[in-house]
Amino acid sequence: EVQLVESGGGLVQPGGSLRLSCAASGFTFSSYSMNWVRQAPGKGLEWVSYISSSSSTIYYADSVKGRFTISRDNAKNSLYLQMNSLRDEDTAVYYCARRQQWLDWVFDYWGQGTLVTVSS
Amino acid sequence: DIQMTQSPSSLSASVGDRVTITCQASQDISNYLNWYQQKPGKAPKLLIYDASNLETGVPSRFSGSGSGTDFTFTISSLQPEDIATYYCQQYDNLPTFGPGTKVDIK
Repeated sequence: EVQLVESGGGLVQPGGSLRLSCAASGFTFSSYSMNWVRQAPGKGLEWVSYISSSSSTIYYADSVKGRFTISRDNAKNSLYLQMNSLRDEDTAVYYCARRQQWLDWVFDYWGQGTLVTVSS
Repeated sequence: DIQMTQSPSSLSASVGDRVTITCQASQDISNYLNWYQQKPGKAPKLLIYDASNLETGVPSRFSGSGSGTDFTFTISSLQPEDIATYYCQQYDNLPTFGPGTKVDIK
């Protein structure tokens, strides 16, 4: 069974940093591209970042470019999101999502999410 | 950036009703359009990919159609477990989601 479990969320002050993790199991993690998608409280979904299976290709949404860094460790079946210079508007539930193996940008499995709250 | 709009933003329907949601892209996205269901407090779930392909395990009452800029998502017979918010998502370029349509039971 495919499982994605996020962790690392919490309360952080504006300008602070946080590192999110996503532990993957039930599939060959090293064969799949991965993403982070976020959802502000009561709002819709926003794609945040993408990393290819080998980490050779990375994309970011304009809203986080230069502040967030996506990475992965295929030996540990883990995905990460380093978030720096956090702003109030980064408050959201952050989901890791697997990209379907043969279809671009189709998110076929999602984790349960981890809440990041940026507030003083 | 490609902008996505959805209508209606919310709807109420009776069990057994046919429910239709539309999604419009700001430019031609061919069939690069997915639909997701999100129940309260849960993660989104993929229902339809490439505009009209049903994800494995998804009930056949869900369907999608369209290409270019105009797309339709249909629930042929609304069930109580379909109460959720439905999002379209384009991927002609970097992915963007529509604002969502909240569906509840009348």
